[in-house]
Amino acid sequence: DVKVTQSSRYLVKRTGEKVFLECVQDMDHENMFWYRQDPGLGLRLIYFSYDVKMKEKGDIPEGYSVSREKKERFSLILESASTNQTSMYLCASHAPGPEKLFFGSGTQLSVL
Amino acid sequence: GQQLNQSPQSMFIQEGEDVSMNCTSSSIFNTWLWYKQDPGEGPVLLIALYKAGELTSNGRLTAQFGITRKDSFLNISASIPSDVGIYFCAGQRPLNNNDMRFGAGTRLTVKP
Repeated sequence: DVKVTQSSRYLVKRTGEKVFLECVQDMDHENMFWYRQDPGLGLRLIYFSYDVKMKEKGDIPEGYSVSREKKERFSLILESASTNQTSMYLCASHAPGPEKLFFGSGTQLSVL
Repeated sequence: GQQLNQSPQSMFIQEGEDVSMNCTSSSIFNTWLWYKQDPGEGPVLLIALYKAGELTSNGRLTAQFGITRKDSFLNISASIPSDVGIYFCAGQRPLNNNDMRFGAGTRLTVKP
């Protein structure tokens, strides 16, 4: 089974802090994604990466950046956290063949 | 980016009842996917649909890919308490394997 591991289940940070959300997958997938999940809005794509050091903006990249130095790890960075970035963040890894995403368990981030 | 219109937003049903939810869009999709998210977890794929008109079952779940390629529905028969969760539809746009759109989710509550 594919395993997508997010390093933290819950995080509480203060406004202005730099925040790192880490995600690791163990199936050598090339494509990895970061989404945020908000009630009534579903999942919205922040950034995705299709290879090491390659990244593309999703629908809501403002206030975020990403890093993909190794194939198995995809990091989401909040340069200066703000209260409107309080959300559930989901990392996903994309399997080859039929279009499927495998999700991590999510990180619930609260910015105070 | 455009999200899918998923309805209903929430459902409260009695154990044993059947459930139906659907997604629509003004755009065409190549693939429709249905995910379930248990509390505190990431979404897990339930059913994937690849052809217009396709009807696929997975146990008590049945999903269909609309013939216009702009809609899909998911039915759950004889609901049980462990069906509780949030159900998401997702559609993959043509020509871009990374362009996956999600519905806002249907929160299902099953009363024993």
